[in-house]
Amino acid sequence: QKEVEQNSGPLSVPEGAIASLNCTYSDRGSQSFFWYRQYSGKSPELIMFIYSNGDKEDGRFTAQLNKASQYVSLLIRDSQPSDSATYLCAVRDSGGSNYKLTFGKGTLLTVNP
Amino acid sequence: SQTIHQWPATLVQPVGSPLSLECTVEGTSNPNLYWYRQAAGRGLQLLFYSVGIGQISSEVPQNLSASRPQDRQFILSSKKLLLSDSGFYLCAWTGKETQYFGPGTRLLVL
Repeated sequence: QKEVEQNSGPLSVPEGAIASLNCTYSDRGSQSFFWYRQYSGKSPELIMFIYSNGDKEDGRFTAQLNKASQYVSLLIRDSQPSDSATYLCAVRDSGGSNYKLTFGKGTLLTVNP
Repeated sequence: SQTIHQWPATLVQPVGSPLSLECTVEGTSNPNLYWYRQAAGRGLQLLFYSVGIGQISSEVPQNLSASRPQDRQFILSSKKLLLSDSGFYLCAWTGKETQYFGPGTRLLVL
């Protein structure tokens, strides 16, 4: 059973701080990793993906991947109240020809003004 | 650009009643399509996925079924709903190495 683990939170940070969200996965062969943001009552929206070890930056967001440790993280700089949401980590299953993702249960982030 | 639609947006159904949820995708052809369920306080559970017309793979045995009658149409059905079928149902499609979700259908079974 492939697993993706995230701290459920809530993670509470003050406005302007850096929020750090973490995720570990069990499928050692996984090559593609995704972060989705889900506002309450809404569907998940893709915010970042990362395939290679190291950091990938997109605006205020930085994804970090360490395949040896089976660990992926998301940093949100200059956190804003509008960043308050549940963040879902997803990992593409290795093996097989069909595209399937395994999701973590998500971390609830609250940014306090 | 690609757009994914789901309807209805919300649904309240009695136990034992049938269910039909529809998902359509615009702006792409031959997409991989997926049905997920997100129950309260739980993660996203993959229910079905389809790589083409008439091709359905089931991930979790349950009283739900799926069909893909057209290239960009994916339908989730049940003959008799259970209380445990309540949840947020999400349709998704896969683009180039990424997966995108529709707006979802919130189902409450009473």
